Amino acid sequence: QKEVEQNSGPLSVPEGAIASLNCTYSDRVSQSFFWYRQYSGKSPELIMSIYSNGDKEDGRFTAQLNKASQYVSLLIRDSQPSDSATYLCAVKSSGAGGTSYGKLTFGQGTILTVHP
Amino acid sequence: DADVTQTPRNRITKTGKRIMLECSQTKGHDRMYWYRQDPGLGLRLIYYSFDVKDINKGEISDGYSVSRQAQAKFSLSLESAIPNQTALYFCATSLKGNTEAFFGQGTRLTVV
Repeated sequence: QKEVEQNSGPLSVPEGAIASLNCTYSDRVSQSFFWYRQYSGKSPELIMSIYSNGDKEDGRFTAQLNKASQYVSLLIRDSQPSDSATYLCAVKSSGAGGTSYGKLTFGQGTILTVHP
Repeated sequence: DADVTQTPRNRITKTGKRIMLECSQTKGHDRMYWYRQDPGLGLRLIYYSFDVKDINKGEISDGYSVSRQAQAKFSLSLESAIPNQTALYFCATSLKGNTEAFFGQGTRLTVV
């Protein structure tokens, strides 16, 4: 089982719709969860971080975390063509002080296309 | 200037050659990471380092080695490059604890 898995894409939504991106992780001691956006040929940039169960909202973006289900998601409301990119879920392990402590693992990414 | 700088940005090399990719940072972060990216596979961790004397293998370390010359510098070497090491390589840094990583601009490496 991969440590971090994202829902298979690509995902295509019309402009103005809600885009839903999902991610599951295998390490129960994971403490920090991140969503990055990556445009083609560019480096990833952070758009959301979440550390505790529940929802976290920032503008059009909402991150949701459920540690019991080992699940984290990202919702993009009022999707715009400029949101078209690859979205990467990342999980940072606490590792209980072992060698995995602080290791930052990424999922395979989901390509999102927002069409006018 | 970028806080996390990778050199070179692009490199074409021949099979069997030794090549070094360099990463330097001005963010003062203690943690540094090397990832490779291939289409459809996301970012895969090669090596990560928590300080100069603490270096750990990631999920795909075979064929690679690293050196943490100073807190601000972390180099990735391919001792004998092979074509399936053709990829986009990223260096990243972070602080200790539950903090995000910041990425360099990437190095596009082609092994022919």
